[in-house]
Amino acid sequence: ETGVTQSPTHLIKTRGQQVTLRCSSQSGHNTVSWYQQALGQGPQFIFQYYREEENGRGNFPPRFSGLQFPNYSSELNVNALELDDSALYLCASSLDGQGAGELFFGEGSRLTVL
Amino acid sequence: KQEVTQIPAALSVPEGENLVLNCSFTDSAIYNLQWFRQDPGKGLTSLLLIQSSQREQTSGRLNASLDKSSGRSTLYIAASQPGDSATYLCAVGHAGNNRKLIWGLGTSLAVNP
Repeated sequence: ETGVTQSPTHLIKTRGQQVTLRCSSQSGHNTVSWYQQALGQGPQFIFQYYREEENGRGNFPPRFSGLQFPNYSSELNVNALELDDSALYLCASSLDGQGAGELFFGEGSRLTVL
Repeated sequence: KQEVTQIPAALSVPEGENLVLNCSFTDSAIYNLQWFRQDPGKGLTSLLLIQSSQREQTSGRLNASLDKSSGRSTLYIAASQPGDSATYLCAVGHAGNNRKLIWGLGTSLAVNP
């Protein structure tokens, strides 16, 4: 059984650029959630995908978008990057799209926006 | 609006001590509560998940309890070890919107040899 994997682990972008972060869910899991964690803060929910459909969204602007693929892997896209987007982006997979299941997190992608 | 608070924010103890980390939440209509561990600059490791119908969960030296009526959960760590040093976060699955977790800011634990 493979765990949740994220790529890239670190990246540096400049303001205005676009970034795509990737996540492979744990084997057998059909739900992927994305979180943003700023330094010293708890994670903030961005959105969740269940069986390729968006299944809930937090208070993030539309320039944060995502996809889930038939194999349940997922992408997080951020357009028009701002300095405040610098954070650790965490992907979590679970078996249950209704939130009852345990979440399993990847190691995260650390994004720095200059 | 659900708010999650963790006390203390930081804790330093000598090796071998039993310790308790606290998590409180303002709205008792929760779906579940999950405790995580985070090492510096790393992702989150799930420790224990308690469903709203449960009172506690145990895994090895860890025991988590849940009291919905008082809006509290505690994480008990027995016989602490230096390897337990990390930040411990609790997250609440809210019954009104169980597609997302509401997080505390964590307790930073240092266990000194």
